[in-house]
Amino acid sequence: DIQLTQSPSFLSASVGDRVTITCRASQGISNFVAWYQQKPGKAPKILIYAASTLQSGVPSRFSGSGSGTEFTLTISSLQPEDFATYYCQQLNTYPLTFGGGTKVEIK
Amino acid sequence: EVQLVESGGGLVQPGGSLTLSCSASGFTFSTYPMHWVRQAPEKGLEYVSVISNNGETIYYADSVKGRFTISRDNSKNTLYLHMSSLAAEDTGVYYCVKALGTTAATRYYHCWGQGTLVTVSS
Repeated sequence: DIQLTQSPSFLSASVGDRVTITCRASQGISNFVAWYQQKPGKAPKILIYAASTLQSGVPSRFSGSGSGTEFTLTISSLQPEDFATYYCQQLNTYPLTFGGGTKVEIK
Repeated sequence: EVQLVESGGGLVQPGGSLTLSCSASGFTFSTYPMHWVRQAPEKGLEYVSVISNNGETIYYADSVKGRFTISRDNSKNTLYLHMSSLAAEDTGVYYCVKALGTTAATRYYHCWGQGTLVTVSS
């Protein structure tokens, strides 16, 4: 199975900060990565797919990049509604594994 | 509008069995693979299983292989997950999920159910 390692697992930031989350794959997965946002008590929501394509309706302050084994999710200016947990997922090979998650909290 | 509604969760004793259902609407159910994803309390997301549109191709996570069975009834627009030999580690919220497509470029999860809680405890 392909393992995904997300870092950091926890991040404390202020409104307006630029935030970057990294996801590393145990083997090359081209650009077959998706990013999700999950708020407490809610199902995850798709943010980005194909590593860098923004899902319709997602604010442009979210962006993704990377290919091969290293991927990043960036929030250019953190907003109050962005405090949540973020997960990467590889779509290259079954099982479609997830990263361990990054919890973004208010500083 | 795509809707996925899970049911069947609850409290079950270790070693017991439970069957989850997911009722789908708003899309042509029989043309899409369907997935189950779970989340233990205060933990991350874990892929559980997928079934192809016609039920002929199935994958399971190693953690559930041999104990869980995924199935579907396209005439009822319903996805199932039969779980047996349940253990405390199976406790969590189980989500029914629809991917946008079937290729590596399109099988991201664009629609999730609200989840159903399974608690394995004596």
